[in-house]
Amino acid sequence: NAGVTQTPKFRVLKTGQSMTLLCAQDMNHEYMYWYRQDPGMGLRLIHYSVGEGTTAKGEVPDGYNVSRLKKQNFLLGLESAAPSQTSVYFCASRRSDGAYEQYFGPGTRLTVT
Amino acid sequence: DQQVKQNSPSLSVQEGRISILNCDYTNSMFDYFLWYKKYPAEGPTFLISISSIKDKNEDGRFTVFLNKSAKHLSLHIVPSQPGDSAVYFCAASALGGGADGLTFGKGTHLIIQP
Repeated sequence: NAGVTQTPKFRVLKTGQSMTLLCAQDMNHEYMYWYRQDPGMGLRLIHYSVGEGTTAKGEVPDGYNVSRLKKQNFLLGLESAAPSQTSVYFCASRRSDGAYEQYFGPGTRLTVT
Repeated sequence: DQQVKQNSPSLSVQEGRISILNCDYTNSMFDYFLWYKKYPAEGPTFLISISSIKDKNEDGRFTVFLNKSAKHLSLHIVPSQPGDSAVYFCAASALGGGADGLTFGKGTHLIIQP
């Protein structure tokens, strides 16, 4: 079991460029999440999904889009990157029944210059 | 407006002693609380959780206490070990652990001194 994996681990973008971050989980979890963490801050929810084909906005969704075409994958897209999107991005997943703990990936460090 | 607050950015404790990390919350709808541990360049790792119907939950060296009337929870680690040095995040969930994500505090950096 790999758990939750994220691709890529690091990326540097120029302002205005686009990119997609990939999250994959092999635990058959229904729910998946994207968070960002900035220095001195806790994690903040960007978007989440409660199942294949469904997504919803979190606390800081502006500038991001997501898609969940397959149950095991959750993609986070930046259409036109801005320096304010420089952050560490974490993906997480959890079961839909009973247990509420989320399992996190190792993170993607994104720098926008 | 921060709904989950960890007011101590850092805490230094001697090896073998007790570490107490504190967390306060403001949202009365929160009914499930979790603690995560995070090492540099890694994702957060789940440690322990507590439901609002309990006031204590224990797992080995880790105990979480919940005081609902004070909207306060604490994580006790005893005895503290060098591997416990990490950033600890308090997180909360509303509506019976609903799907809509966790609300995190800013974290406390725990340093275990030899």
